[in-house]
Amino acid sequence: LAKTTQPISMDSYEGQEVNITCSHNNIATNDYITWYQQFPSQGPRFIIQGYKTKVTNEVASLFIPADRKSSTLSLPRVSLSDTAVYYCLVVSTGGGNKLTFGTGTQLKVEL
Amino acid sequence: SAVISQKPSRDICQRGTSLTIQCQVDSQVTMMFWYRQQPGQSLTLIATANQGSEATYESGFVIDKFPISRPNLTFSTLTVSNMSPEDSSIYLCSVDWSGTSGRGEQFFGPGTRLTVL
Repeated sequence: LAKTTQPISMDSYEGQEVNITCSHNNIATNDYITWYQQFPSQGPRFIIQGYKTKVTNEVASLFIPADRKSSTLSLPRVSLSDTAVYYCLVVSTGGGNKLTFGTGTQLKVEL
Repeated sequence: SAVISQKPSRDICQRGTSLTIQCQVDSQVTMMFWYRQQPGQSLTLIATANQGSEATYESGFVIDKFPISRPNLTFSTLTVSNMSPEDSSIYLCSVDWSGTSGRGEQFFGPGTRLTVL
């Protein structure tokens, strides 16, 4: 499975847009990029998944360049409640749907 | 979506004893997983719980230490055997929802916080 690298932590203020970049240089053709969010004392929660270009849902946007070696999770106008750990994962459709979690990015949002 | 419950939510156990953690899902699912999350760390996959067959363990995890049962499509248990303080972690179960949502999505339970003295 492709290994991912993302910043350990990020700080932001309410109302700002937050972009978290993840690198996955060894991503394979049948791999998808998936992001999870984890609040303290809770299990991770699926946020968004994409294969290439741009994906947007009610929570976030995911930007994936043509070479797919990196991706950027964009959270518009964050609030205090977005303080969480964000995990970037590469999910292989041929891997039995197993998830390999990296270190994650601790996002702290302040007033 | 799937709703997952775990029992117990937390426990404090003595060294050398065993604890069985239960995971209940409100829907029938094919694939269930067990993860461990040590304090301040990321999640590590322990094993895949297969219905009707033995669990598939990841490197570094063995059946004698973490026996798993999967009697039906909505339930699984993980036992942490002969516990030591190094087993103090949060244990989470998850279910694969890819077949329903069409994307690589898993739903996670709230976790069981285990402290071994």
